[in-house]
Amino acid sequence: GAVVSQHPSWVICKSGTSVKIECRSLDFQATTMFWYRQFPKQSLMLMATSNEGSKATYEQGVEKDKFLINHASLTLSTLTVTSAHPEDSSFYICSARDPRAGGNEQYFGPGTRLTVT
Amino acid sequence: KQEVTQIPAALSVPEGENLVLNCSFTDSAIYNLQWFRQDPGKGLTSLLLIQSSQREQTSGRLNASLDKSSGRSTLYIAASQPGDSATYLCAVSAFGNEKLTFGTGTRLTIIP
Repeated sequence: GAVVSQHPSWVICKSGTSVKIECRSLDFQATTMFWYRQFPKQSLMLMATSNEGSKATYEQGVEKDKFLINHASLTLSTLTVTSAHPEDSSFYICSARDPRAGGNEQYFGPGTRLTVT
Repeated sequence: KQEVTQIPAALSVPEGENLVLNCSFTDSAIYNLQWFRQDPGKGLTSLLLIQSSQREQTSGRLNASLDKSSGRSTLYIAASQPGDSATYLCAVSAFGNEKLTFGTGTRLTIIP
């Protein structure tokens, strides 16, 4: 089956620092990956769509200069939270579309818990 | 703009009972609908995917139905078990758009 991993699973950082989160498709090549954030007891909100070899497409209201996305290979997308602030504390989840299965289904990573102090 | 709602927000049932979770969406022009399970502090596990041309999908004790015209989907769980306790999310995608719009989720607790 399609497996997506994220690293780290949790991270604590100080205000003003930058944090990088990795999303990897382990057994398939993903031309498209998605980044979501989830606040406690709320649903997932799409932040951006990451396309291999091109710029990410950000959702309305998401600051692209703050949340840098790089999709450098068919198996890796990274999200960098720059100059993090406590309000950036959240659960970040990535997903990837498996083209082998007709491209309809998205598979999700285990998430990364970011806490900014 | 597509909006997805799940009712109830929380549900507790005794072990062994059958139960139904509801999902409604405002725009019936969907490409597919997915049901996911999320355990606390974890990512999402895909349970079932229903294409817009399908009416239902089954996997083990789970059965998901789709009524596009009324903008509704249900997830039926048979013979519930304590291990079924989790938050269940539904999400829809539109034609020509891979993005998923998620519902608000139903937090299910199965009482042993």
